[in-house]
Amino acid sequence: AQTVTQSQPEMSVQEAETVTLSCTYDTSESDYYLFWYKQPPSRQMILVIRQEAYKQQNATENRFSVNFQKAAKSFSLKISDSQLGDAAMYFCAYRSGGGSNYKLTFGKGTLLTVNP
Amino acid sequence: EAQVTQNPRYLITVTGKKLTVTCSQNMNHEYMSWYRQDPGLGLRQIYYSMNVEVTDKGDVPEGYKVSRKEKRNFPLILESPSPNQTSLYFCASSFGYAGANVLTFGAGSRLTVL
Repeated sequence: AQTVTQSQPEMSVQEAETVTLSCTYDTSESDYYLFWYKQPPSRQMILVIRQEAYKQQNATENRFSVNFQKAAKSFSLKISDSQLGDAAMYFCAYRSGGGSNYKLTFGKGTLLTVNP
Repeated sequence: EAQVTQNPRYLITVTGKKLTVTCSQNMNHEYMSWYRQDPGLGLRQIYYSMNVEVTDKGDVPEGYKVSRKEKRNFPLILESPSPNQTSLYFCASSFGYAGANVLTFGAGSRLTVL
């Protein structure tokens, strides 16, 4: 079974600075997808970024980018120019490209605080 | 607006009183799933459905039932709720069930069982 590990329960960053959230995963599959979801105090789950395992190029979405290291099974999220609105719980997630369930497997989350 | 709608958003109930959390999506999605979120545990899958009349257990199915009689609806049923089912529940859906399909989540339902 696949597992996702987020080793940082909490992180903090100063406004306008850069922060990196860590995520590692364990799988024996070659076809899979990785995601970062943001959960603000409203509790809504918001997709931040997606990475296909077969793509070597790291995904980027405006101020959000990932460092995808397939061999190391690492998938970190970098937030540049942090804003107060980035304060949230962030979840790393894995989804198989095949199989019988196609569930999202989540890490336990990292709570990000942005200090003004 | 394309969305997944859950109801109720908040519910306080007592042990043993049957309840249903409804989930409806307007995107013609095939795949639907229920998750529960607990502090320190992240989100865990309860049940999923790959199409009408096709449902199966996720990682934590005990104490829950689901049905998928229509493509748009996927209700979660707690026949005899217990305090350990106090949690935040999310319904999610995607167009297909291959990994490339992004899950869209509902706004969540906060359930408290006394």
